[in-house]
Amino acid sequence: LAKTTQPISMDSYEGQEVNITCSHNNIATNDYITWYQQFPSQGPRFIIQGYKTKVTNEVASLFIPADRKSSTLSLPRVSLSDTAVYYCLVVGAGSNYQLIWGAGTKLIIKP
Amino acid sequence: ETGVTQTPRHLVMGMTNKKSLKCEQHLGHNAMYWYKQSAKKPLELMFVYSLEERVENNSVPSRFSPECPNSSHLFLHLHTLQPEDSALYLCASSQGQGAETQYFGPGTRLLVL
Repeated sequence: LAKTTQPISMDSYEGQEVNITCSHNNIATNDYITWYQQFPSQGPRFIIQGYKTKVTNEVASLFIPADRKSSTLSLPRVSLSDTAVYYCLVVGAGSNYQLIWGAGTKLIIKP
Repeated sequence: ETGVTQTPRHLVMGMTNKKSLKCEQHLGHNAMYWYKQSAKKPLELMFVYSLEERVENNSVPSRFSPECPNSSHLFLHLHTLQPEDSALYLCASSQGQGAETQYFGPGTRLLVL
């Protein structure tokens, strides 16, 4: 099973671009990489998912190198409301429910 | 009511009590999950139900007993819990299996005394 490793915490400032990297050295061929955001007293919320190269949506981008052993979540022009815990999840595309969550990165955005 | 709801939001129980956590999803999804979230640890997947059938049980102690009476409801029955079971218990649902996006409820904060 792929184990995911991500930084425990990060700080940044409003208006900056923030990049959070997750390591998943043993990722399997069928695994996807998904990122979730969690605010206090709430459940995690889906941000973005990818398999390889680059994926972009209205809130974030996800960069995955060719070897897929890591991934980087990029948040453009963060605001104070982006202060949250961000989780990296490696999940198999099949029905075996191999869900490997990272321990989360606590991102603090300062004014 | 929309999304995934969980009740109660907070629960304090003694080690000899029996209680139940309830989850309801209003999204028409086919899969439902129970997770345990402890401080500074990854989310731990406990149980997965797909079309009301349990498809995953990650070595969870028998003092936790899940029940899925239909595709919209999921229960977690608790009895003779230990203090180390104190955590946030999250319910989630997804349309299908595998890499499908999961939608989470707000969780039940459980304290076992």
